[in-house]
Amino acid sequence: QQQVKQSPQSLIVQKGGISIINCAYENTAFDYFPWYQQFPGKGPALLIAIRPDVSEKKEGRFTISFNKSAKQFSLHIMDSQPGDSATYFCAASRKANFGNEKLTFGTGTRLTIIP
Amino acid sequence: DAGVIQSPRHEVTEMGQEVTLRCKPISGHNSLFWYRQTMMRGLELLIYFNNNVPIDDSGMPEDRFSAKMPNASFSTLKIQPSEPRDSAVYFCASSWSGGSLTGELFFGEGSRLTVL
Repeated sequence: QQQVKQSPQSLIVQKGGISIINCAYENTAFDYFPWYQQFPGKGPALLIAIRPDVSEKKEGRFTISFNKSAKQFSLHIMDSQPGDSATYFCAASRKANFGNEKLTFGTGTRLTIIP
Repeated sequence: DAGVIQSPRHEVTEMGQEVTLRCKPISGHNSLFWYRQTMMRGLELLIYFNNNVPIDDSGMPEDRFSAKMPNASFSTLKIQPSEPRDSAVYFCASSWSGGSLTGELFFGEGSRLTVL
């Protein structure tokens, strides 16, 4: 079963703090791990992604940490800002034979940054 | 540059009625996905197409759901007859998938369906 388990379901962080969202997967064939950000009334949008050949990827205040042996990956948001308040989804996919991908999403984390 | 365009944005209908949701993917993209989002089940992949051909429809809940992609610039998701448990936000997404690259998914703004 291709599942991606995400936690926590909701998270409240003070402005300037570090937000951490965790995901775990089961299928060792997964080779692409993106994070999507969704604001109310909008569709999800790609935030950052990683492949299993590296253990960390950083883009600005956003970092993905990847632990292949534990089959876990996490999103860290440094210096969290009120504008980061959104729902975050982790996802995973593997290449299909025809070169397409099929993303499996986690259940989402509603992040709220308070002043 | 226009993104993925979905219509209608909101649909309220009565149980038993037919519902048709529409999607125009980003020009040049060769993959199209239909997702359903609910509080209970999160984002579920219903079906996806590659080069207008349905590749995997294992996520379609039941025979009441059908999807078509008659050409590269248009897709529909139809529910007939609709039921209250179909109430959700339905997202269409498109991507370019080629070779060894995994394409970024671009989502539309969704169609919020309420079945009374």
